[in-house]
Amino acid sequence: NAGVTQTPKFQVLKTGQSMTLQCAQDMNHNSMYWYRQDPGMGLRLIYYSASEGTTDKGEVPNGYNVSRLNKREFSLRLESAAPSQTSVYFCASRDQEGSNQPQHFGDGTRLSIL
Amino acid sequence: GESVGLHLPTLSVQEGDNSIINCAYSNSASDYFIWYKQESGKGPQFIIDIRSNMDKRQGQRVTVLLNKTVKHLSLQIAATQPGDSAVYFCAERSGNEKLTFGTGTRLTIIP
Repeated sequence: NAGVTQTPKFQVLKTGQSMTLQCAQDMNHNSMYWYRQDPGMGLRLIYYSASEGTTDKGEVPNGYNVSRLNKREFSLRLESAAPSQTSVYFCASRDQEGSNQPQHFGDGTRLSIL
Repeated sequence: GESVGLHLPTLSVQEGDNSIINCAYSNSASDYFIWYKQESGKGPQFIIDIRSNMDKRQGQRVTVLLNKTVKHLSLQIAATQPGDSAVYFCAERSGNEKLTFGTGTRLTIIP
């Protein structure tokens, strides 16, 4: 059981380049999330998807777009990367069965924008 | 705005001793709290959770205490081991789908 899988694990981009971060979960979870983690700060929510076909903005959505491709996959796209988007990006998923279920995280994508 | 914070950014504990990691929260409407452990180069790993209608919950070597009067959450780890060295985050549910995370406490176990 792989859980939440993120690709790539590392990436370096130049300012202005575009990129899509991939996330897939094999736990049949309805909800999926994208966070960024910066030094000295907790995880901040970028976008989330409560179910296939729906997406909603989180705390820091500017500069990002998402696609919930199917129940398993939720991608994050940077259309024109900026140095301020240098961060570690985490994808998570959650089982909605019952109201109190924790989110389960992947191991992150480390992204550097030069 | 609402926030989740930690009293101490770093904590060093002798192997075999108990450790306590604290967390303050400010949203009195929060009804669900989670503790995560994050090892270097890894994603946050679920440790234990607690609902607001409880004040204590125990797991294997871990206990979470919730004091709603002073909006305080703590994680107790018994008989710490080297593998417990990590950054620990508390999180509160601030909406049906949203978690608000604290900035984390780094726990170092001294052999």
